[in-house]
Amino acid sequence: DSGVTQTPKHLITATGQRVTLRCSPRSGDLSVYWYQQSLDQGLQFLIHYYNGEERAKGNILERFSAQQFPDLHSELNLSSLELGDSALYFCASSVGRYNEQFFGPGTRLTVL
Amino acid sequence: AQSVTQLDSHVSVSEGTPVLLRCNYSSSYSPSLFWYVQHPNKGLQLLLKYTSAATLVKGINGFEAEFKKSETSFHLTKPSAHMSDAAEYFCVVSVPSGSQGNLIFGKGTKLSVKP
Repeated sequence: DSGVTQTPKHLITATGQRVTLRCSPRSGDLSVYWYQQSLDQGLQFLIHYYNGEERAKGNILERFSAQQFPDLHSELNLSSLELGDSALYFCASSVGRYNEQFFGPGTRLTVL
Repeated sequence: AQSVTQLDSHVSVSEGTPVLLRCNYSSSYSPSLFWYVQHPNKGLQLLLKYTSAATLVKGINGFEAEFKKSETSFHLTKPSAHMSDAAEYFCVVSVPSGSQGNLIFGKGTKLSVKP
């Protein structure tokens, strides 16, 4: 158990819908990262927050957004969902900005 | 620019035989390197990390990796494979945060263990 929690574990929804994925980092970790993992694209970095501020953006679509709250938990919002958004979404946390990351168990999103 | 290359996409070994998963890195400065393991439908778990303290790094579950600067390699080894080692393994290099975040992941090596 990494100490990073993600909810929900599974999410099934329809195209065009909007969902919110939630992540709670390890106690004391200030950085939260979001990743998307699919069979064809592999592991893709989406976005990084450090102590509430966005620090880096990767291959994140404009339909996706994220935020980190004062209590350091983070939410990833996915809107206007498409079939191709079906994937595993991981959250990871680290103490600082350049340390090893600890991954949550992931949320499996299925868009029908 | 920093990058990491895992030389084998798939490795198959028999239970009880040694494991070698190969990784080469490219970095313009002294890197931090990691190996992560991912079992099917699970999150990634940190196996071990190298941060310049010692070139031979011991990790969990009997795995170890050796940092060889002259060869720009960070291969992962285990003396004796167990069925539970069957998983995907990622070699990772740490970089200043940017469009790729602060970790660059290799494409992964899938390890199969035959009874």
